[in-house]
Amino acid sequence: NAGVTQTPKFQVLKTGQSMTLQCAQDMNHNSMYWYRQDPGMGLRLIYYSASEGTTDKGEVPNGYNVSRLNKREFSLRLESAAPSQTSVYFCASSESGNLAGYTFGSGTRLTVV
Amino acid sequence: QKEVEQNSGPLSVPEGAIASLNCTYSDRGSQSFFWYRQYSGKSPELIMSIYSNGDKEDGRFTAQLNKASQYVSLLIRDSQPSDSATYLCAVTGSNQFYFGTGTSLTVIP
Repeated sequence: NAGVTQTPKFQVLKTGQSMTLQCAQDMNHNSMYWYRQDPGMGLRLIYYSASEGTTDKGEVPNGYNVSRLNKREFSLRLESAAPSQTSVYFCASSESGNLAGYTFGSGTRLTVV
Repeated sequence: QKEVEQNSGPLSVPEGAIASLNCTYSDRGSQSFFWYRQYSGKSPELIMSIYSNGDKEDGRFTAQLNKASQYVSLLIRDSQPSDSATYLCAVTGSNQFYFGTGTSLTVIP
């Protein structure tokens, strides 16, 4: 049982380049999330998908887009990367509602130069 | 005011001691509360959840919740060097969790 799988694990981009972070879960969870984690800032929600076919903005959505491709997959796209997007990105999933905790992927460490 | 506040530490305790981690939250409507452990360079791992006032014990871990005072705490008994990590408190909002910035714990052998 793989849980939540994120790719890639590391990436270096030049300013202005685009890329897509991939996330897939095999736990049949309805809800999926993208967070970024920066020193001193904690985990901040970028976008989430409460169920297949829906997506909503979180705390820091600017500069990002998402696609909930199906129940398993939730991708995060940076259209024009900026140095301020240098961060560690985590995908997470959970069962519906607020009673279950998240399962996190292993993270993507992104550097924008 | 942040949704979830934690003392960033670092908190250092000797091996075998009790480590006490605290968290306060602002939304009185929050229903679910979680503690995550995050080792350096790794992803957060869920270790405890609590939903009702009082204590919940799981092995060496005890979570405590006081909704009236809006705080949740985590006690780690018989602390081990392997407990050295950052501990994140998470509190539910309307459609997401709010995370604290974490408390760094070091257990000294």
